[in-house]
Amino acid sequence: GAGVSQSPRYKVTKRGQDVALRCDPISGHVSLYWYRQALGQGPEFLTYFNYEAQQDKSGLPNDRFSAERPEGSISTLTIQRTEQRDSAMYRCASSSREGNTEAFFGQGTRLTVV
Amino acid sequence: GQQVMQIPQYQHVQEGEDFTTYCNSSTTLSNIQWYKQRPGGHPVFLIQLVKSGEVKKQKRLTFQFGEAKKNSSLHITATQTTDVGTYFCAGFYGGSQGNLIFGKGTKLSVKP
Repeated sequence: GAGVSQSPRYKVTKRGQDVALRCDPISGHVSLYWYRQALGQGPEFLTYFNYEAQQDKSGLPNDRFSAERPEGSISTLTIQRTEQRDSAMYRCASSSREGNTEAFFGQGTRLTVV
Repeated sequence: GQQVMQIPQYQHVQEGEDFTTYCNSSTTLSNIQWYKQRPGGHPVFLIQLVKSGEVKKQKRLTFQFGEAKKNSSLHITATQTTDVGTYFCAGFYGGSQGNLIFGKGTKLSVKP
């Protein structure tokens, strides 16, 4: 696609529910990153993929968070049993190759857990 | 884990004044990138620095990478209202650590 696409743009969910956030990177991009950005803060690294392989998931806060990119293109970040502290902007970025080139960000998914 | 420190957190300037934000890592970086995020927007790539001591310019913006590849700065000359936003540095450590670590950003406001 023309840019990185994330869906939904906004998600309100009740505490305890599972949510799945989707990222459609720029076509052909090798690397895909997930970040969480609190208001007034920098993007906080969660995890990243090269092709379909999850290279680093050290930033995932706990085992309620998981991510996959099964065919090396679209990725899904899943949060199970959501808690209010999970409320944030979740951003996806992709780059044409690993780390040493420009990362293109999507518009993000604003998650609110009530 | 790796951390990238960025100062100041906020900077308020009068239009026409200069602005500088600084970025520091405790360990050597493979490269450093700079991004700008406008209010309500997403981070947008500005530039990447790779070489020790590298200096790059984009019109009124000057980017520097330290000799030890542990620090970097962004300097804006004669700020304009269009410069408003938050500027982030992002360090890439290379090797097995392929993730891009962002600083907390410097929020710039410009008074006309």
